[in-house]
Amino acid sequence: GAVVSQHPSRVICKSGTSVKIECRSLDFQATTMFWYRQFPKQSLMLMATSNEGSKATYEQGVEKDKFLINHASLTLSTLTVTSAHPEDSSFYICSARYGGGYTFGSGTRLTVV
Amino acid sequence: GDSVTQMEGPVTLSEEAFLTINCTYTATGYPSLFWYVQYPGEGLQLLLKATKADDKGSNKGFEATYRKETTSFHLEKGSVQVSDSAVYFCALSVFNTGNQFYFGTGTSLTVIP
Repeated sequence: GAVVSQHPSRVICKSGTSVKIECRSLDFQATTMFWYRQFPKQSLMLMATSNEGSKATYEQGVEKDKFLINHASLTLSTLTVTSAHPEDSSFYICSARYGGGYTFGSGTRLTVV
Repeated sequence: GDSVTQMEGPVTLSEEAFLTINCTYTATGYPSLFWYVQYPGEGLQLLLKATKADDKGSNKGFEATYRKETTSFHLEKGSVQVSDSAVYFCALSVFNTGNQFYFGTGTSLTVIP
C-alpha cells in the first residue's frame, strides 16, 4: 500500500535553531501533502497544505515564515521550523492523498530546549 | 465549524473486555467519518470509515455506526486483545471543505493480559 516515510521520529534542538522534517512517499506520487501539529491532549490541527511545485496554503494563525514548507518533487515534502522556540515543541505529522484515501507518516516529536 | 469530540483517555482494559470509545461530531455539510489507529512508533492507519448515515464501518473486530440523529460514531469492539493497545483517533472529512480532516484528541488504549 501507499507509504509515507517521515524523518526524524524524534528531535531535540536548541532554542533559536532550525529543524527540518521530511516526508517521502515511497511507492506513489504525492501531489498533495498535508502537515498537522498536535499539542498535548489536543487534536491534530492542520497547519498547511502543499501541492507539488506551488506555494503551500497555510491555515489561519500559522506563521508561514516560521513553518517553511517545500514540496519540490512528487515524492518529497519538507517542513522546516525556523528559529525554534520551546512553544514550538509538539508532534508534527504529514499526510498524503493518494487514490481514494490518505496515508500518514509516523510523526516527529520535536522538543526545543 | 466542523469539529470532533472524542472520549478522553487513557483507557486501560483487561484482555477480552468490551471496548467503547465515544465520538461525536459537528459538521456543516455531509461528513464522512473515520477511525484511525496509531500503534507505537507508527503513523496513523485507517481503521474503518463510514460515508453516510446508518453506514457501519468494520475492521479487525472493530465497528462504528454513523448515527446522524445523535451525531455520533462510537468505536466498539467486543473482545480486545493486547495487540489492540494503541491511540485511536476519530475524524471527519467534508467534501466541500476540500476534504480537510478534523481530528479528535485521540484516546490511548492499553490492554493488559
